[in-house]
Amino acid sequence: GENVEQHPSTLSVQEGDSAVIKCTYSDSASNYFPWYKQELGKRPQLIIDIRSNVGEKKDQRIAVTLNKTAKHFSLHITETQPEDSAVYFCAASINNQGGKLIFGQGTELSVKP
Amino acid sequence: DVKVTQSSRYLVKRTGEKVFLECVQDMDHENMFWYRQDPGLGLRLIYFSYDVKMKEKGDIPEGYSVSREKKERFSLILESASTNQTSMYLCASRRGRGVGYGYTFGSGTRLTVV
Repeated sequence: GENVEQHPSTLSVQEGDSAVIKCTYSDSASNYFPWYKQELGKRPQLIIDIRSNVGEKKDQRIAVTLNKTAKHFSLHITETQPEDSAVYFCAASINNQGGKLIFGQGTELSVKP
Repeated sequence: DVKVTQSSRYLVKRTGEKVFLECVQDMDHENMFWYRQDPGLGLRLIYFSYDVKMKEKGDIPEGYSVSREKKERFSLILESASTNQTSMYLCASRRGRGVGYGYTFGSGTRLTVV
């Protein structure tokens, strides 16, 4: 089955710097890659997603890139702010499996003022 | 906004008890999922359902079962709770069968088995 590896497990940056979180997946049939943000004590919330027919997607300070050949996708956050501090999860899914998501292990991002 | 409601925020149960975790969504979503969240392991899929009375095993189904008698409700059952099932349990729902629809999560149930 699908396996998703996420790195790093923790990331500390200064406010205003950029942060990059990387994920790799194992099943070349995966075709949907969302990213979730989970603030302390709260539920995970979808922040951005990308489909396999697109190489890059941006939404204000957040971008996601996908390299299907390498089976690799990344989350980029620019001009980080303290409110970006949270745990971020990547995930992958295959369309014909009921849309189930396989998640990475999570990255705890800390943005220091 | 879709709402996914988990019946309990915190639960404490004894080893060997049968435990029911309830999840209800209010937007007529076809697909519902149960995950457990443990530090350093991310979210691991226990079971999911893409229709009423349908269920599929996820990656870690051992010790769990599920029930989906109505479209809006998906229950997770711990047949005989054990201490290694102490965890945060997250329910999620998703509409449609096609690619590209994200999950909506419930607030989670933190279960402690003593």
